[in-house]
Amino acid sequence: DSGVTQTPKHLITATGQRVTLRCSPRSGDLSVYWYQQSLDQGLQFLIQYYNGEERAKGNILERFSAQQFPDLHSELNLSSLELGDSALYFCASNTEGGPNTEAFFGQGTRLTVV
Amino acid sequence: GESVGLHLPTLSVQEGDNSIINCAYSNSASDYFIWYKQESGKGPQFIIDIRSNMDKRQGQRVTVLLNKTVKHLSLQIAATQPGDSAVYFCAEKGGNKLVFGAGTILRVKS
Repeated sequence: DSGVTQTPKHLITATGQRVTLRCSPRSGDLSVYWYQQSLDQGLQFLIQYYNGEERAKGNILERFSAQQFPDLHSELNLSSLELGDSALYFCASNTEGGPNTEAFFGQGTRLTVV
Repeated sequence: GESVGLHLPTLSVQEGDNSIINCAYSNSASDYFIWYKQESGKGPQFIIDIRSNMDKRQGQRVTVLLNKTVKHLSLQIAATQPGDSAVYFCAEKGGNKLVFGAGTILRVKS
């Protein structure tokens, strides 16, 4: 158990819908990273938050957004969903402001868009 | 229709043998590298890391080698066990994010 909790584990929704994925980082970790893992793209970095502030941005679509709350949990919002958004979404956390030490991953949320 | 997925390289080893998984990274300025293991249905799990001021780092049954001249990273697993079967990813710190390689499938034959 990495200490990073993601909910829900599975999500099935229709095209055009909006979903929210939740991540609780390890106790004491200030940084949260979101990654998308699909069959044809591998693990792609989406966005990072550090202590409530956006720190780094990757290949995140404009239809996607995230935030980190004062209790340090984070949510990833995916809207106007398309079939191609079906993927595993992982959250990772570490203590640093960046990936200077190992980041611990949650078990992921499997999103299926039908 | 048929889905197109990443065609990951596969390494098949006999139980008890040593495994070597290789990774080429892209950014000569990267100063931090990590190896992750991902089992089916699970999130990536940290194995070992190395900073660019080192050439070699050892853990329990694992060794990471870094060759900055040719931008190459390798993971050596000693006495490979069935539980080592997984997809292995190298990752490099690029700017303020970790950039992952495509991964290598390790299959351990009993």
